[in-house]
Amino acid sequence: DGGITQSPKYLFRKEGQNVTLSCEQNLNHDAMYWYRQDPGQGLRLIYYSQIVNDFQKGDIAEGYSVSREKKESFPLTVTSAQKNPTAFYLCASSIGGRWNEKLFFGSGTQLSVL
Amino acid sequence: DAKTTQPPSMDCAEGRAANLPCNHSTISGNEYVYWYRQIHSQGPQYIIHGLKNNETNEMASLIITEDRKSSTLILPHATLRDTAVYYCIVRPPGSSNTGKLIFGQGTTLQVKP
Repeated sequence: DGGITQSPKYLFRKEGQNVTLSCEQNLNHDAMYWYRQDPGQGLRLIYYSQIVNDFQKGDIAEGYSVSREKKESFPLTVTSAQKNPTAFYLCASSIGGRWNEKLFFGSGTQLSVL
Repeated sequence: DAKTTQPPSMDCAEGRAANLPCNHSTISGNEYVYWYRQIHSQGPQYIIHGLKNNETNEMASLIITEDRKSSTLILPHATLRDTAVYYCIVRPPGSSNTGKLIFGQGTTLQVKP
Protein backbone atom coordinates (compact mmCIF):
# COMPACT_ATOMS: atom_id res chain seq x y z
CA ASP A 1 0.00 0.00 0.00
CA GLY A 2 1.21 3.50 -0.76
CA GLY A 3 1.69 5.86 2.13
CA ILE A 4 3.96 7.63 4.57
CA THR A 5 5.80 5.73 7.26
CA GLN A 6 7.19 7.43 10.34
CA SER A 7 9.44 5.69 12.81
CA PRO A 8 9.77 5.16 15.64
CA LYS A 9 6.28 5.66 17.09
CA TYR A 10 7.79 6.70 20.44
CA LEU A 11 11.24 8.17 21.04
CA PHE A 12 13.04 9.33 24.15
CA ARG A 13 15.85 11.86 24.20
CA LYS A 14 18.42 12.45 26.88
CA GLU A 15 19.70 15.90 27.68
CA GLY A 16 22.27 17.09 25.15
CA GLN A 17 21.49 14.32 22.71
CA ASN A 18 20.57 14.63 19.06
CA VAL A 19 17.84 12.32 17.80
CA THR A 20 16.64 11.61 14.27
CA LEU A 21 13.05 10.91 13.26
CA SER A 22 12.51 8.91 10.11
CA CYS A 23 9.97 9.68 7.39
CA GLU A 24 9.64 7.57 4.25
CA GLN A 25 7.02 7.81 1.49
CA ASN A 26 6.31 5.59 -1.49
CA LEU A 27 3.75 7.91 -3.09
CA ASN A 28 6.27 9.34 -5.53
CA HIS A 29 5.58 12.79 -4.10
CA ASP A 30 8.03 15.61 -4.69
CA ALA A 31 7.15 17.69 -1.64
CA MET A 32 7.60 16.69 1.99
CA TYR A 33 7.02 18.50 5.29
CA TRP A 34 7.64 18.26 9.02
CA TYR A 35 5.22 19.61 11.59
CA ARG A 36 5.28 19.80 15.36
CA GLN A 37 2.15 19.48 17.48
CA ASP A 38 1.97 20.33 21.18
CA PRO A 39 -0.87 19.05 23.38
CA GLY A 40 -4.18 20.71 22.56
CA GLN A 41 -2.58 22.81 19.84
CA GLY A 42 -2.61 22.90 16.08
CA LEU A 43 0.31 21.99 13.83
CA ARG A 44 3.32 24.22 13.28
CA LEU A 45 5.58 23.87 10.24
CA ILE A 46 9.25 23.10 11.00
CA TYR A 47 10.81 22.45 7.58
CA TYR A 48 9.62 21.64 4.10
CA SER A 49 11.16 20.37 0.90
CA GLN A 50 9.71 20.87 -2.54
CA ILE A 51 12.28 18.75 -4.35
CA VAL A 52 15.28 16.52 -3.71
CA ASN A 53 18.37 18.30 -2.37
CA ASP A 54 16.38 21.39 -1.48
CA PHE A 55 14.56 22.43 1.69
CA GLN A 56 13.38 25.59 3.43
CA LYS A 57 12.76 26.63 7.00
CA GLY A 58 9.23 26.79 8.26
CA ASP A 59 7.94 28.82 11.16
CA ILE A 60 9.83 27.06 13.98
CA ALA A 61 13.05 25.68 12.44
CA GLU A 62 15.41 26.64 15.28
CA GLY A 63 16.92 23.57 16.95
CA TYR A 64 16.01 21.26 14.05
CA SER A 65 17.77 20.11 10.90
CA VAL A 66 16.71 18.08 7.87
CA SER A 67 18.13 16.51 4.74
CA ARG A 68 16.55 15.47 1.46
CA GLU A 69 19.03 13.26 -0.34
CA LYS A 70 16.38 10.94 -1.75
CA LYS A 71 12.90 11.67 -3.03
CA GLU A 72 11.27 9.16 -0.70
CA SER A 73 13.06 10.16 2.51
CA PHE A 74 13.00 13.31 4.64
CA PRO A 75 14.57 12.69 8.08
CA LEU A 76 14.31 15.26 10.85
CA THR A 77 17.03 15.69 13.46
CA VAL A 78 16.11 17.26 16.76
CA THR A 79 19.33 18.76 18.03
CA SER A 80 20.42 19.55 21.56
CA ALA A 81 19.78 23.21 20.73
CA GLN A 82 16.03 22.51 20.81
CA LYS A 83 15.33 23.18 24.47
CA ASN A 84 11.73 22.02 24.51
CA PRO A 85 11.58 19.05 22.15
CA THR A 86 8.75 17.12 23.79
CA ALA A 87 5.97 17.05 21.20
CA PHE A 88 4.17 14.97 18.58
CA TYR A 89 5.99 15.18 15.25
CA LEU A 90 4.18 14.70 11.98
CA CYS A 91 5.59 14.18 8.51
CA ALA A 92 3.53 14.88 5.40
CA SER A 93 3.92 14.81 1.65
CA SER A 94 2.18 16.18 -1.41
CA ILE A 95 2.50 15.75 -5.13
CA GLY A 96 4.29 19.08 -5.48
CA GLY A 97 4.14 21.87 -7.98
CA ARG A 98 0.55 22.92 -7.36
CA TRP A 99 -0.38 25.29 -4.58
CA ASN A 100 -3.85 23.90 -3.95
CA GLU A 101 -2.96 20.26 -3.45
CA LYS A 102 -3.71 18.14 -0.40
CA LEU A 103 -1.32 16.75 2.17
CA PHE A 104 -0.90 13.13 3.15
CA PHE A 105 0.27 12.60 6.73
CA GLY A 106 2.13 9.87 8.52
CA SER A 107 1.02 8.48 11.87
CA GLY A 108 3.46 10.56 13.87
CA THR A 109 6.31 10.17 16.35
CA GLN A 110 5.92 11.12 20.01
CA LEU A 111 9.21 12.51 21.31
CA SER A 112 9.80 12.83 25.03
CA VAL A 113 12.76 14.03 27.07
CA LEU A 114 14.14 11.80 29.79
CA ASP B 1 -2.49 35.67 7.18
CA ALA B 2 -6.04 34.57 6.56
CA LYS B 3 -7.14 33.08 9.86
CA THR B 4 -10.04 30.84 10.68
CA THR B 5 -12.36 30.73 13.66
CA GLN B 6 -14.04 27.51 14.75
CA PRO B 7 -16.04 26.54 17.82
CA PRO B 8 -13.82 24.56 20.20
CA SER B 9 -16.23 21.66 20.54
CA MET B 10 -19.47 20.20 19.24
CA ASP B 11 -21.60 17.15 19.91
CA CYS B 12 -23.60 15.15 17.39
CA ALA B 13 -25.88 12.15 17.72
CA GLU B 14 -24.85 9.04 15.83
CA GLY B 15 -26.63 8.80 12.47
CA ARG B 16 -27.43 12.50 12.35
CA ALA B 17 -25.74 15.12 10.21
CA ALA B 18 -22.83 16.96 11.75
CA ASN B 19 -22.49 20.58 10.63
CA LEU B 20 -19.17 22.16 11.51
CA PRO B 21 -18.91 25.92 10.94
CA CYS B 22 -15.83 27.96 10.12
CA ASN B 23 -15.35 31.71 9.77
CA HIS B 24 -12.61 33.04 7.49
CA SER B 25 -13.59 36.65 7.00
CA THR B 26 -10.15 37.77 5.74
CA ILE B 27 -9.88 35.18 3.01
CA SER B 28 -8.64 36.52 -0.31
CA GLY B 29 -9.98 35.75 -3.74
CA ASN B 30 -7.66 32.93 -4.75
CA GLU B 31 -7.38 31.10 -1.44
CA TYR B 32 -8.86 27.67 -1.00
CA VAL B 33 -10.60 26.42 2.13
CA TYR B 34 -9.39 23.03 3.31
CA TRP B 35 -10.76 20.66 5.92
CA TYR B 36 -8.70 18.02 7.67
CA ARG B 37 -9.48 15.90 10.67
CA GLN B 38 -7.28 14.27 13.28
CA ILE B 39 -8.19 11.29 15.37
CA HIS B 40 -6.32 11.16 18.65
CA SER B 41 -2.60 10.36 18.33
CA GLN B 42 -2.78 9.94 14.56
CA GLY B 43 -1.82 12.12 11.63
CA PRO B 44 -4.41 14.46 10.12
CA GLN B 45 -6.54 13.14 7.29
CA TYR B 46 -7.61 15.24 4.33
CA ILE B 47 -11.39 15.56 3.97
CA ILE B 48 -12.25 18.09 1.30
CA HIS B 49 -11.35 21.50 -0.10
CA GLY B 50 -13.03 24.18 -2.19
CA LEU B 51 -12.70 27.67 -3.63
CA LYS B 52 -16.13 29.12 -4.41
CA ASN B 53 -18.55 26.37 -5.28
CA ASN B 54 -19.95 23.79 -2.94
CA GLU B 55 -18.10 20.51 -3.04
CA THR B 56 -19.04 16.93 -2.19
CA ASN B 57 -17.05 13.74 -1.98
CA GLU B 58 -17.45 10.35 -0.37
CA MET B 59 -16.60 11.72 3.05
CA ALA B 60 -18.37 15.05 3.33
CA SER B 61 -19.86 18.14 1.76
CA LEU B 62 -18.43 21.64 1.90
CA ILE B 63 -20.73 24.62 1.71
CA ILE B 64 -19.03 28.00 1.12
CA THR B 65 -21.03 31.20 1.45
CA GLU B 66 -21.27 33.47 -1.57
CA ASP B 67 -19.04 36.10 0.03
CA ARG B 68 -16.60 33.33 1.00
CA LYS B 69 -16.32 34.63 4.54
CA SER B 70 -17.51 31.39 6.08
CA SER B 71 -18.03 27.73 5.30
CA THR B 72 -19.64 24.63 6.76
CA LEU B 73 -18.41 21.07 6.65
CA ILE B 74 -21.24 18.56 6.63
CA LEU B 75 -20.86 14.92 7.61
CA PRO B 76 -24.22 13.58 6.41
CA HIS B 77 -24.52 10.56 8.72
CA ALA B 78 -22.07 10.81 11.58
CA THR B 79 -20.70 7.62 13.10
CA LEU B 80 -18.70 7.05 16.26
CA ARG B 81 -15.58 6.81 14.10
CA ASP B 82 -16.08 10.42 13.04
CA THR B 83 -15.16 11.57 16.56
CA ALA B 84 -12.06 13.69 15.95
CA VAL B 85 -10.64 17.22 15.85
CA TYR B 86 -11.68 18.96 12.64
CA TYR B 87 -9.46 21.69 11.22
CA CYS B 88 -10.63 24.40 8.85
CA ILE B 89 -7.63 25.87 7.05
CA VAL B 90 -6.99 28.66 4.60
CA ARG B 91 -3.62 28.82 2.88
CA PRO B 92 -1.74 32.00 3.81
CA PRO B 93 -1.59 34.65 1.10
CA GLY B 94 1.66 35.07 -0.72
CA SER B 95 2.88 31.56 -0.01
CA SER B 96 3.88 29.35 -2.90
CA ASN B 97 4.05 26.27 -0.77
CA THR B 98 1.17 23.96 0.01
CA GLY B 99 2.66 22.95 3.35
CA LYS B 100 2.38 26.42 4.82
CA LEU B 101 -1.11 25.77 6.03
CA ILE B 102 -2.05 27.30 9.36
CA PHE B 103 -3.60 24.65 11.54
CA GLY B 104 -5.48 26.29 14.42
CA GLN B 105 -6.97 24.47 17.37
CA GLY B 106 -9.92 23.12 15.39
CA THR B 107 -13.27 21.80 16.55
CA THR B 108 -13.47 18.67 18.64
CA LEU B 109 -16.48 16.74 17.37
CA GLN B 110 -17.88 14.16 19.76
CA VAL B 111 -20.32 11.74 18.15
CA LYS B 112 -22.54 10.15 20.76
CA PRO B 113 -24.53 6.91 20.54
